[in-house]
Order: sequence, then structure tokens, then C-alpha cells
Amino acid sequence: DAGVIQSPRHEVTEMGQEVTLRCKPISGHDYLFWYRQTMMRGLELLIYFNNNVPIDDSGMPEDRFSAKMPNASFSTLKIQPSEPRDSAVYFCASGQPYSGNTIYFGEGSWLTVV
Amino acid sequence: AQSVTQPDIHITVSEGASLELRCNYSYGATPYLFWYVQSPGQGLQLLLKYFSGDTLVQGIKGFEAEFKRSQSSFNLRKPSVHWSDAAEYFCAVDPTSGTYKYIFGTGTRLKVLA
Repeated sequence: DAGVIQSPRHEVTEMGQEVTLRCKPISGHDYLFWYRQTMMRGLELLIYFNNNVPIDDSGMPEDRFSAKMPNASFSTLKIQPSEPRDSAVYFCASGQPYSGNTIYFGEGSWLTVV
Repeated sequence: AQSVTQPDIHITVSEGASLELRCNYSYGATPYLFWYVQSPGQGLQLLLKYFSGDTLVQGIKGFEAEFKRSQSSFNLRKPSVHWSDAAEYFCAVDPTSGTYKYIFGTGTRLKVLA
């Protein structure tokens, strides 16, 4: 089975530009998560969806961040405008009830804002 | 406050030696418990998980973990470390046993000496 697929894997952008990160969850998984990983803060849950509906976005750092899930097989995390402090690895993950609440991670999108 | 503690930031072991990585949590009830491994430049891969039952759980790559309720611990072990085990290891807790809102520890970076 294909795992969680993220794109782009690496992105370097200039401050002020819009960044869009994309994710395709594992087929059949009802839950989708966006995490951010930094040296200073470790792994942080930004937002998660259940059946394409945002359930908890309390981890989204500020209004510059937005996430959507228009269908069961696609989600985006957008940063507009980007700032250098947004530089991090952004992970998408998915999970399914009755699989033991296990979350499966993608390989991450490595974002550098200069 | 609810937390997950991995007291060792770095651990160095020789190849073939045994390994134990510590994880403690501070929750009243028994949460769901997980160990993930992250190789450089990669996403997080699930090693093993505990929900209930036998307190010694077996995972992939020869890892095991033991849940000790009295110590609020879920330590990861491997009897003989291989050079390919060099990576960062994360303990995670789903404190409400079903919400998917994992709390991750800060990670332990394992170095293996040849």
C-alpha cells in the first residue's frame, strides 16, 4: 500500500511568498493530521481533520496558516505570507479508527523561508 | 500539566550492545502509548504501540517496550543494536485514548559506534 504522500519534499522560498504544501493520505483513512517539527519546539500538531472536516485547529500558529481538505484524498496547508520563522519540516499523517488509533506519517515537506 | 518526558537527549551505544530508551508520561489514566523512529531526512515510522493487555509489546526491527503503570513509563528496548538503528526515537501518548491528539516527547537521538 502507498503511504502518506507529501509534496513538495523540499521548498525554499522568499519571505512574503505564499507556500502551499500538499498531502495525499492513505486510502481509507478517515483522519488527517498536519504536524510541524522544529528543533526548538519539537513535533507540534497544527490541525486535524475527520472525514474532511477540521476538528481541531488550536495548534495553528496564526492566521497566516490555513488548511483545507476538499476531499478524502487531498489536503493542503498554506502559509501566506511566509516568514523565516516558519522554516520547519511539515508532516502530514493519516489514521483510521479501529486500527488502534495509529497515525502514519509522510516523509515531510522541508520548508526554508529566506 | 500533561507531558511526555524522554530524559535522554542523546545516547551512544556500541554495535551489538543492548539499548534502553526511557519514556515517562504524566496522565491519570492509562493512555495509548507509541514509539516512533525517525531516520535522518525521513518521516516517522511506527515501531510499536500499547493499548491494553500484555504489558510487554513487540515491535518491528527487533524492538520491544514494556509498560509499567506504577512508574508511568513505557521504555523501549533492544537486546543488540545494529548500526542501522542510529536515528531519533520519539515516544508518543494519546492521553484520551482515542482522540488522536498525540503528545510527543522531545526525542532521543541514538548514535551507534562500530
